[in-house]
Amino acid sequence: KQEVTQIPAALSVPEGENLVLNCSFTDSAIYNLQWFRQDPGKGLTSLLLIQSSQREQTSGRLNASLDKSSGRSTLYIAASQPGDSATYLCASYSGNTPLVFGKGTRLSVIA
Amino acid sequence: DAGVIQSPRHEVTEMGQEVTLRCKPISGHNSLFWYRQTMMRGLELLIYFNNNVPIDDSGMPEDRFSAKMPNASFSTLKIQPSEPRDSAVYFCASSLGGVSIKSEAFFGQGTRLTVV
Repeated sequence: KQEVTQIPAALSVPEGENLVLNCSFTDSAIYNLQWFRQDPGKGLTSLLLIQSSQREQTSGRLNASLDKSSGRSTLYIAASQPGDSATYLCASYSGNTPLVFGKGTRLSVIA
Repeated sequence: DAGVIQSPRHEVTEMGQEVTLRCKPISGHNSLFWYRQTMMRGLELLIYFNNNVPIDDSGMPEDRFSAKMPNASFSTLKIQPSEPRDSAVYFCASSLGGVSIKSEAFFGQGTRLTVV
């Protein structure tokens, strides 16, 4: 059964800093990995989807990488801004099991 | 497209009452998922449908929970009778393609359920 872990659970950084959020998964036979953002009291917003055949995806200041062999994905946020403050969740699709989520990293960017 | 639409956004009910949550997926999407989010357990998959057919309901916690998808544009999640431990945020999501096509999933805004 797939298990997804995100460390740290919370992170606080000053504005302008580049940062990396980590996601690890136990079943390396994944089909894809998706990163989401969740603001307090809101739904999940899809940020990036990486298919198993890809190594990374980029969108603006965000870059997500995938290393299936080590069971890891990272989300890199460049030049962080206070508006980036939210909870970031990763989820993987493996076998016939739809998205299995980690518990998220709560990011605070301090102005 | 308006995205995945869930109703109601908030629901407060008394223990023992029936609760029905509703979801309209994105038009053209043929996979639909129901998730529950709590502080303790995070996001848990309850059930998912492909082409209106339930594929896996192993995440449904008890027989008190049931879900239907009568057509491609509507799904319901029903709890009867409700209990305080059912209090959570319930999310609906949809994606394009069946289980063999692992495409991007889009989530609704959720229904915050409080059972008192």
